[in-house]
Amino acid sequence: EVLMVQSGAVLKKPGESLNISCQGFGNRFERNWVAWVRQMPGKGLEWMGIIYLGDSQTVYSPSFEGQVTISAAKSINTAYLTWSSLRASDSAMYYCAKRRDYGYYHFDSWGQGTLVTVSS
Amino acid sequence: QSALTQPRSVSASLGQSVSISCTGTTSDVGGYEYVSWYQQHPGKAPKVLIHDIDKRPRGVPDRFSGSRSGNTASLIISGLQADDEADYYCWSYAGTYTWVLGGGTTLTVL
Repeated sequence: EVLMVQSGAVLKKPGESLNISCQGFGNRFERNWVAWVRQMPGKGLEWMGIIYLGDSQTVYSPSFEGQVTISAAKSINTAYLTWSSLRASDSAMYYCAKRRDYGYYHFDSWGQGTLVTVSS
Repeated sequence: QSALTQPRSVSASLGQSVSISCTGTTSDVGGYEYVSWYQQHPGKAPKVLIHDIDKRPRGVPDRFSGSRSGNTASLIISGLQADDEADYYCWSYAGTYTWVLGGGTTLTVL
């Protein structure tokens, strides 16, 4: 089983940039797709986008395209979620999730979540 | 507004059964065999319960089952236990590496 470990909680000011990470530990992790999921306080899950660690192919949800950047560093089995200019409305819990093997379309390993708080 | 429609809340008594519906379209729930269900307890990461409409991952009790009719998928939980009290989300693959989600259903075990 793959273990997904996310970076720790952060407190940022509006307008600041931010990069959070999700590192996978397990066999052949570089051949996996990793998704990012937002959960605003008291709200449901939202699928933001997905990246293939092997070649950094990325697909965004239309709701998040242009708002964030998803990237990856294959050599260290890590996916990233980046904001260039944070807004208060970006305050949320962010989860990474690994898609199961090729031919499957669900997410079988999840990170513990990274709480992002944006406040002046 | 979520792409898939779930009831906001359901409730049932200990030991009883409950069904949670998830309605989409022919572009997602009705068009692919890739509906999955996730359970989320407060403060925890989601966990997959059902994938490919009705398949259970290893370790998920057979009290949890899934089905689909047309554009509506359902999660059925039988023999309700106190620990089943959680939020439940349906997901569906929607083609070209995109997924759509339901808004989530809060299950209360009475």
